[in-house]
Amino acid sequence: EAGVTQFPSHSVIEKGQTVTLRCDPISGHDNLYWYRRVMGKEIKFLLHFVKESKQDESGMPNNRFLAERTGGTYSTLKVQPAELEDSGVYFCASSHSYEQYFGPGTRLTVT
Amino acid sequence: GQNIDQPTEMTATEGAIVQINCTYQTSGFNGLFWYQQHAGEAPTFLSYNVLDGLEEKGRFSSFLSRSKGYSYLLLKELQMKDSASYLCVSSGNTGKLIFGQGTTLQVKP
Repeated sequence: EAGVTQFPSHSVIEKGQTVTLRCDPISGHDNLYWYRRVMGKEIKFLLHFVKESKQDESGMPNNRFLAERTGGTYSTLKVQPAELEDSGVYFCASSHSYEQYFGPGTRLTVT
Repeated sequence: GQNIDQPTEMTATEGAIVQINCTYQTSGFNGLFWYQQHAGEAPTFLSYNVLDGLEEKGRFSSFLSRSKGYSYLLLKELQMKDSASYLCVSSGNTGKLIFGQGTTLQVKP
C-alpha cells in the first residue's frame, strides 16, 4: 500500500512569488492534515480536512495560505504571496482513525 | 494553553535502556502519541496511550499518567538505528496533534 506522498520534495522561491504544495493521502483516509515545522521550532498544526470539508483551520497563519481538497482525495496548500517567514518543512498526514501517517514533507525556502 | 516539554537531547549506549520523559498541558486532551523521526524523513508512529498505564510493544514501551500530565517512552536493548528524534505529541478532541520540540537521541557504540 502506498503511503502519503507530497510534491515537490523541495521548493526554492523568491519572496512575493506563489507556491503550491500537493499532498496525496493514503487511499480511503477521510482525514487529511497539514502541519509545518519552521527552523528550530516544533511541528505545528495548520488545518484538518474531513473528506473535502475543512474541520479545523485554526492553525493557518494568515490569509496568504489557502488549502483545498476538491473531491476529498488529494489536497493542495497554496502560499501567495510567499514571505521569508514561510520557510520551513510542510508535512501532510492522513488517517482513518487515531493514527496519523505522515508524508516525507516539502521543504520550502523563500529567499 | 498548550505546552509540551521534553528534553532536547539525550545520549545512551548501544544495548542499554533509555527513558524519555514528557510533560504536557493541553486542552481537550484525547491521548498521547510518541513518534520517531529520522533526519530528513517523515515522523513515524510508535505508540498511543489514551488511558493511564504502560503500553508495551516490543523494545518500546510508553507510559501515561493523565492526572500528572506526564508520559515517558522507554527504549530497551538500544540499537544504533534508534538514533533519531522522538516526538511527544498530544492529541486534541478534533484529531489535531500538538507536538513537543522533540528529543534527539544519540546511541553510541
